[in-house]
Amino acid sequence: GAGVSQSPSNKVTEKGKDVELRCDPISGHTALYWYRQSLGQGLEFLIYFQGNSAPDKSGLPSDRFSAERTGGSVSTLTIQRTQQEDSAVYLCASSPESGRRETQYFGPGTRLLVL
Amino acid sequence: GQQLNQSPQSMFIQEGEDVSMNCTSSSIFNTWLWYKQDPGEGPVLLIALYKAGELTSNGRLTAQFGITRKDSFLNISASIPSDVGIYFCAGQTDSNYQLIWGAGTKLIIKP
Repeated sequence: GAGVSQSPSNKVTEKGKDVELRCDPISGHTALYWYRQSLGQGLEFLIYFQGNSAPDKSGLPSDRFSAERTGGSVSTLTIQRTQQEDSAVYLCASSPESGRRETQYFGPGTRLLVL
Repeated sequence: GQQLNQSPQSMFIQEGEDVSMNCTSSSIFNTWLWYKQDPGEGPVLLIALYKAGELTSNGRLTAQFGITRKDSFLNISASIPSDVGIYFCAGQTDSNYQLIWGAGTKLIIKP
């Protein structure tokens, strides 16, 4: 079956512009996660959804970052007034539930470059 | 944010050699995971460990959950060209679904 998909695969934007990143999780997966990966670094947790609600937004770096999930499926991560330090790969993952033994399946990521 | 200490940062090996990498933490984890990431792709789960002392294999890969619950290692035997990539460890506690990640070990096969 289809895995996690993300769009766009690459995004180049100018400093100060807003960007929207999209994640389509695996069908039926109730948990959805957003991570950020900077060059040469591990993944940094941003936000987690269980269904349409986000119990934990603690990883969002600033109030310029927001995310929503509708219909328990697609999620959008929005970065307002982008800064150069926002340049990174943004990865989305989904799992059937949010328990400890639930494998997180990752999408290919969106590579964001802020000029 | 919090990260695990993963080493080595990179490895240059000959095809056929065995590989070993490890992760350590100052915190206790109840789950250790090992992922591999190929260029342009998201990480893919290789091995999951849920119990202190657990030793688990997946083909040529073997991983162990340290008894102290503060470390884990991954071994790859008889490396082949498709093993090239970046390997990440990740830890998780029972009370928090968040995965805490190491910075990765980049595996390169010498020609």
